[in-house]
This record gives sequence, structure tokens and C-alpha cells, in this order.
Amino acid sequence: TQLLEQSPQFLSIQEGENLTVYCNSSSVFSSLQWYRQEPGEGPVLLVTVVTGGEVKKLKRLTFQFGDARKDSSLHITAAQPGDTGLYLCAGDPGGYNKLIFGAGTRLAVHP
Amino acid sequence: NAGVTQTPKFQVLKTGQSMTLQCAQDMNHEYMSWYRQDPGMGLRLIHYSVGAGITDQGEVPNGYNVSRSTTEDFPLRLLSAAPSQTSVYFCASNRRRNTEAFFGQGTRLTVV
Repeated sequence: TQLLEQSPQFLSIQEGENLTVYCNSSSVFSSLQWYRQEPGEGPVLLVTVVTGGEVKKLKRLTFQFGDARKDSSLHITAAQPGDTGLYLCAGDPGGYNKLIFGAGTRLAVHP
Repeated sequence: NAGVTQTPKFQVLKTGQSMTLQCAQDMNHEYMSWYRQDPGMGLRLIHYSVGAGITDQGEVPNGYNVSRSTTEDFPLRLLSAAPSQTSVYFCASNRRRNTEAFFGQGTRLTVV
């Protein structure tokens, strides 16, 4: 059982479409991180959300942290082929010094 | 800047062999960790360290050992390789807990 559940597992869309991916847990997190991973590379941090209800924008990417700090979402507006990759959420449940990852959402954006 | 360096990039082992995956970081980070990545499973934490001389188990520690004698190095030892340990292994370092994790480029391990 994954502590952080990500959905959908796969997403295949056309360039210009909007999409949202989700990261859910029954545990409370002091913060959640979102990473993107490209083939053959390690994950790279996109954003960290810390405060319940927080919304952060990174160009066409909008990240939201749930009020109860148990879930987060990533919304991409007008997706581009360069957005293709594996999107991972991660957090430290209960402050035990462990950074746990979800299974990821694999996004493919077609021209 | 080297960041996090993992060696080797690729390795094939026979069942029962032992080996050490190397990880070094040059950012003076306190926190280091090892993950394995399997299809559909995301990254699963094997072992982690909050500083030199301190290590602890993650989600999937069985069959692996670690030590942290210096801040820079965090090697992962496979004691007796099994086919179930075929995976891509990533080492990461953080300045401290809950800050950005910097990853190496990974080691693709196949156990036959």
C-alpha cells in the first residue's frame, strides 16, 4: 500500500490540452514536494508546498496543497510536448526523516 | 558542480554475488538516502542517513546494508544479490529534512 497515492497512473493528451494530476494520502504532511523525472535521469524538484490551502504557480503549472495537508494537485495549462515525463509527489509523513514518494503519473503530450 | 555522483551507471550481477553501489555528494548535505525504482512502484526508500555515523531503515531495507563514515559518501551494499533486486537505484542528498532532494543519475542493476 502506497502512503502517497497518485492518480491517474498514465495520461496521454494532445498539445494544448489542460490536465490535473492528484496526490492523496490519509496522513498529514508538514509539506509536499513535486518532482519531474525524464527517462534516464533522476527526479528534479518542481515545487514544495508547505501551508494548507497554499497555491503556487510555476509558469503553466499550478500546485495546490489541501487545507488538511493530506493531498495536493498539479494542474498544467496548455500542455506542451516538453511537459512529457513522470510526475512524482513526495513528503515526510509524521516527521520521521523519511522522504516517501508516490508511484507517479506518467504524462505523454503529443504534438 | 558535481552534485550527487553515483557509480557504476550499469551493472550485471549473478545471483549470490555481492557488490557496493557508490554515492558521493559535494554539497555538504547532512541527509542522504537510497531509493530503488521499479515500474509502477515509483521510488521506494531503502535506507537513509541524517548525518555521519547515523543510518536508519526505509520501506524496503532487506538485502541491503549502508554505512555513513563521512558526510560526503553513502555506499549501498548488496549482500547476496537476488533477481528481485533488479532495479534502478538512485542516491539522493538533502541539505536537511523536507528540503529539496538532489538525485544522482542512477545505477541500472540487473541480477541474473
